[in-house]
Amino acid sequence: DGGITQSPKYLFRKEGQNVTLSCEQNLNHDAMYWYRQDPGQGLRLIYYSQIVNDFQKGDIAEGYSVSREKKESFPLTVTSAQKNPTAFYLCASSTADLSNQPQHFGDGTRLSIL
Amino acid sequence: DAKTTQPNSMESNEEEPVHLPCNHSTISGTDYIHWYRQLPSQGPEYVIHGLTSNVNNRMASLAIAEDRKSSTLILHRATLRDAAVYYCILRALGSSNTGKLIFGQGTTLQVKP
Repeated sequence: DGGITQSPKYLFRKEGQNVTLSCEQNLNHDAMYWYRQDPGQGLRLIYYSQIVNDFQKGDIAEGYSVSREKKESFPLTVTSAQKNPTAFYLCASSTADLSNQPQHFGDGTRLSIL
Repeated sequence: DAKTTQPNSMESNEEEPVHLPCNHSTISGTDYIHWYRQLPSQGPEYVIHGLTSNVNNRMASLAIAEDRKSSTLILHRATLRDAAVYYCILRALGSSNTGKLIFGQGTTLQVKP
């Protein structure tokens, strides 16, 4: 079945440690996105990519980094510079960066601090 | 991006219709109205979207006011599986559009057996 796979489902980070969240899609979508969700809140955009080897910062990019070396993969690294990383992280993709195209979401990674 | 206003919570009985309202009085002519829902501990799921005319799909119907300043998501027969947070989102066309979705607080729908 086509879809978006995020892994791991749960992740724990130690102080000063970088961690990488995986996002893979087999929908042949050009655009991919990373969102962060805090408890009881809506989603906020971290980074997005409209094409391979290109990505842009979203609203809350500080302390995060991404890469887009392959169309199907868009990993997110939470660096030690992100002082409040505990959140639910969601990856999404869409066919193109158009307003009338729906985004498809993965099931998320829940990151906590040890 | 234009803002939307939704009630914080609503209740429904199973197998009854549900009407979820959304106000978007500052909507522009090129804004699409999108609805997503999110079940606990899952990613959001696309439900439906429209521009001016009412829309139907297998999940729901979207009724858009003639002046486009409000819309209503209609679930024809609520099931327990429909209990979720429903988000009404406006997405604008234009060269500056990032494709990002701007989520508000949404409406938490409870479905009672």
